[in-house]
Amino acid sequence: DTAVSQTPKYLVTQMGNDKSIKCEQNLGHDTMYWYKQDSKKFLKIMFSYNNKELIINETVPNRFSPKSPDKAHLNLHINSLELGDSAVYFCASSQRGLGEKLFFGSGTQLSVL
Amino acid sequence: TQLLEQSPQFLSIQEGENLTVYCNSSSVFSSLQWYRQEPGEGPVLLVTVVTGGEVKKLKRLTFQFGDARKDSSLHITAAQPGDTGLYLCAPSKAAGNKLTFGGGTRVLVKP
Repeated sequence: DTAVSQTPKYLVTQMGNDKSIKCEQNLGHDTMYWYKQDSKKFLKIMFSYNNKELIINETVPNRFSPKSPDKAHLNLHINSLELGDSAVYFCASSQRGLGEKLFFGSGTQLSVL
Repeated sequence: TQLLEQSPQFLSIQEGENLTVYCNSSSVFSSLQWYRQEPGEGPVLLVTVVTGGEVKKLKRLTFQFGDARKDSSLHITAAQPGDTGLYLCAPSKAAGNKLTFGGGTRVLVKP
């Protein structure tokens, strides 16, 4: 069983569209994250949720809205997609209090045309 | 934000050679993690170093945490093509519970 699974794996869309990426973890972790990895492989945190509560919200455009219906799921919705949003988006989870070891999904490669 | 600098940015070697990658900062960390990311996958934790001067070995990989807990290195002996990937370092516990990753070192081991 995949510990952290995110869908879709690839997402190709036009500028201006709205899209969502879904993430689920079956590890029983309390905390989930969204990271963005740009073309230079720089991995930056975007959001973090702990037990469905937003705890980290980096400087990310308002077009990005995370939603956590329960502690096993953290989805990312993006409105009015722009060319600069093209990147690989990673979902991750961790069990707080255990040294913040992160378990990552396999990523969603978003291409905005 | 605790800035981590990794060097070199890219390393290409032949199978069987040794290599060392570095993770440096001006900040002191309580502990530091190393991840490896293979193409098309998410990063996977390799090791956490906790004590200044600590050396940990994972098969052919040797991780060292600097005495002052500001830097770390990863040495790979007799590299194999399976070692190819992006090696990332990050503090285990960072301000605001964030994990700020270094820029990574891309390692390519050619058969």
